[in-house]
Amino acid sequence: EPEVTQTPSHQVTQMGQEVILRCVPISNHLYFYWYRQILGQKVEFLVSFYNNEISEKSEIFDDQFSVERPDGSNFTLKIRSTKLEDSAMYFCASRTGTWGEKLFFGSGTQLSVL
Amino acid sequence: DQQVKQNSPSLSVQEGRISILNCDYTNSMFDYFLWYKKYPAEGPTFLISISSIKDKNEDGRFTVFLNKSAKHLSLHIVPSQPGDSAVYFCAASASGQNFVFGPGTRLSVLP
Repeated sequence: EPEVTQTPSHQVTQMGQEVILRCVPISNHLYFYWYRQILGQKVEFLVSFYNNEISEKSEIFDDQFSVERPDGSNFTLKIRSTKLEDSAMYFCASRTGTWGEKLFFGSGTQLSVL
Repeated sequence: DQQVKQNSPSLSVQEGRISILNCDYTNSMFDYFLWYKKYPAEGPTFLISISSIKDKNEDGRFTVFLNKSAKHLSLHIVPSQPGDSAVYFCAASASGQNFVFGPGTRLSVLP
């Protein structure tokens, strides 16, 4: 089965630093998502992306966050100035866009902000 | 505002018995529901889904039931196996918009 690939699997950074989390969605998918899960808490929606623009974003996704699809395959999440509370597992997901089709998730990037 | 609720944070079941995981939602616009299973340090893995035009969907050991009037769905696993031990998330979407996840229920299947 095709997979969503995320790199790196772990990222450690100092507070205030910028980080870029990378994702390669499944090749024929059109909708891309970032979710995060803080340890012990629920999976939270951050942002969805379609047709090279953000289609929806949550309250969490403030000006410190940005997403980009720099080429035909990668989908990135940038956090400009990381905070301690940004420490979480970040999941990328994608789907074709057909109604009723499931989200395919990557295995996640564990971000630790020190 | 929790649109998707899973009120049992954990559940323990004997191997071979039925596991029933529950999920409630508040948004009447939700028309598509999914269950995901998640192991530690891995991404959520899709299990089974149901659309609002159905009240039951079955796939092997997994059956999802939807009660639209009660805004409630449940996942039944029969028979439960130790490998089913994981965190189970209920998710919902409205008209193909983003998927809202519940907080999860940790299932432990005891040998």
